[in-house]
Amino acid sequence: EIVLTQSPGTLSLSPGERATLSCRASQSVSSSYLAWYQQRPGQAPRLLNNAASSRATGIPDRFSGSGSGTDFTLTISRLEPEDFAVYYCQYYGSSPITFGQGTRLEIK
Amino acid sequence: QLQLQESGPGLVKPSETLSLTCTVSGGSISSSSYYWGWIRQPPGKGLEWIGSIYYSGSTYYNPSLKNRVTISVDTSKNQFSLKLSSVTAADTTMYYCARAHTGSIFDSWGQGTLVTVSS
Repeated sequence: EIVLTQSPGTLSLSPGERATLSCRASQSVSSSYLAWYQQRPGQAPRLLNNAASSRATGIPDRFSGSGSGTDFTLTISRLEPEDFAVYYCQYYGSSPITFGQGTRLEIK
Repeated sequence: QLQLQESGPGLVKPSETLSLTCTVSGGSISSSSYYWGWIRQPPGKGLEWIGSIYYSGSTYYNPSLKNRVTISVDTSKNQFSLKLSSVTAADTTMYYCARAHTGSIFDSWGQGTLVTVSS
């Protein structure tokens, strides 16, 4: 089973700033199978990126994913008020599908 | 626009079987492009994949739950269902159904349903 560890647990930033969220896999994985989700309070998760760097339909281009091997990053270039939420990474290249524990992005 | 809606009892007694149904509207569950999955999330915690099913009935489950989980599909009703047996308080959580493309990328989700296990 691939264990995903996200850091930091909580990230406090201001609107307009750049956010960098990390997802580390317990062993080297293919970036083709790494996805990111956003979950706002009281809502279901929403797919942001898949294959580590491909934005899902309707996702603004301020969201970008990158990485390889064991280290992956979700970058939000300029934070908007609606971006403050919890973010999860997901690995789907093998069973079981696993998620990281999440990074909470809060307004500073 | 695709919509998924979970339904089922919000309260289940310990040792009993939890049963939920996901009704899909705005699209066909028989599409060859998608799997259909269940994911759960304890209040304030992270996401756990339970299992997924293809319209043909092919399933795959999280090994941590495999002995207790059954997922089935009813293409005539455009629904798929989850049964989780021998529930305990640890199964008290929000349950989501979702559509998965490429097998496992969950690109459309239901709003979720909270199930509490308590006597």
